[in-house]
Amino acid sequence: GDSVTQMEGPVTLSEEAFLTINCTYTATGYPSLFWYVQYPGEGLQLLLKATKADDKGSNKGFEATYRKETTSFHLEKGSVQVSDSAVYFCALRLTTGTASKLTFGTGTRLQVTL
Amino acid sequence: NAGVMQNPRHLVRRRGQEARLRCSPMKGHSHVYWYRQLPEEGLKFMVYLQKENIIDESGMPKERFSAEFPKEGPSILRIQQVVRGDSAAYFCASSRGGQFGYTFGSGTRLTVV
Repeated sequence: GDSVTQMEGPVTLSEEAFLTINCTYTATGYPSLFWYVQYPGEGLQLLLKATKADDKGSNKGFEATYRKETTSFHLEKGSVQVSDSAVYFCALRLTTGTASKLTFGTGTRLQVTL
Repeated sequence: NAGVMQNPRHLVRRRGQEARLRCSPMKGHSHVYWYRQLPEEGLKFMVYLQKENIIDESGMPKERFSAEFPKEGPSILRIQQVVRGDSAAYFCASSRGGQFGYTFGSGTRLTVV
């Protein structure tokens, strides 16, 4: 079945450090890929997405590139802030037929300190 | 333009009671999805509904859980005879259609004592 694997956390970084959160996937079709962010006590917010190979999604300084050859969608940010502290979820969604559900990774908690 | 509204935000039930979770989709959205997030885990798909129809319930436990999305009113996720293992955050999302992006609600956090 379809699945998403992302690096385990927590990830602890100092402010202005470089962030990478790894995400790889397996899928039977050609999925769209997403990163969602969850702040404490809140629901999920879409951070960025990519719908086909080599697409780069970007938002708020975060970016991720859809790499079909390595089945990866790693999240990066050049300089993190304390306000980026949250849990980040990688997810895939197949776009064919009625299979419109999202399949999530287990989440990576990011803690940014001063 | 309100987002996806879920209520209650927090729900406490004793073992054996029933839990009813409500989800009002965004205006113009006729597709609803329910996900469950167990502590320290990712979200797991439960069910996908359109108005008056269940499209995909492959993630629903076979017993005690049911979902509906009537012609009028919110979608309801119902858990009968709750057990401690049902304690989780339940998220609803809505979309305009199966191929469109979702918007998530803030979730209902169910605690079974």
